[in-house]
Amino acid sequence: DIQMTQSPSTLSAFVGDRVTITCRASQSISSWLAWYQQKPGKVPKLLINKASSLESGVPSRFSGSGSGTEFTLTISSLQPDDFATYYCQQYNSYSGVTFGGGTKVEIK
Amino acid sequence: QVQLVQSGSELKKPGASVKVSCRASGYTFTNYAIEWVRQAPGQGLEWMGWINTNTGNPTYAQGFTGRFVFSLDTSVSTAYLQVSSLKAEDTALYYCARGETYSGYWGQGTLVTVSS
Repeated sequence: DIQMTQSPSTLSAFVGDRVTITCRASQSISSWLAWYQQKPGKVPKLLINKASSLESGVPSRFSGSGSGTEFTLTISSLQPDDFATYYCQQYNSYSGVTFGGGTKVEIK
Repeated sequence: QVQLVQSGSELKKPGASVKVSCRASGYTFTNYAIEWVRQAPGQGLEWMGWINTNTGNPTYAQGFTGRFVFSLDTSVSTAYLQVSSLKAEDTALYYCARGETYSGYWGQGTLVTVSS
């Protein structure tokens, strides 16, 4: 199976900060990567698919980039509603979809 | 609108079995696969696998073979997850989601608690 490593595991930031989360794959996954946001007690929300394609309704302050084995999720100006846990997910192969371990974004 | 509605919370004893349902509406059930995701308390997301809603063929992720069974009843647009020989470490929220890879449509989750 392809392993996904997210960093950092926890991130403390101020409202208005630019925030970057990294996800590394153990082997190339081309651009087959999605990003989710999950708030406590809530269902994960899909933000981005195919590494950089923003889902409808997701604010433009969110962006994704990367290909191969290294990917980033960037929040250009952190808003109060953005404090949550973020997960990457690779879907390079139907038999081995895997999630990263998550990055918790906390208020500084 | 697309909806996935899961069955309610379950409290089971170790060694018992549980069957979680996921009823789909708002789209043609057999046009999309259903996948299952587990989240233990305070932990991350684990992809369990998916089931082809046309053929009924399941695919299980590593770590989810043997005790875990995906099934369907297409007549009522419902997918099922059965877990047998429950262990304390199976205590988790179980989500269904539409598709076999990423998904924008998730059920609300079913909490399965395994405790003696």
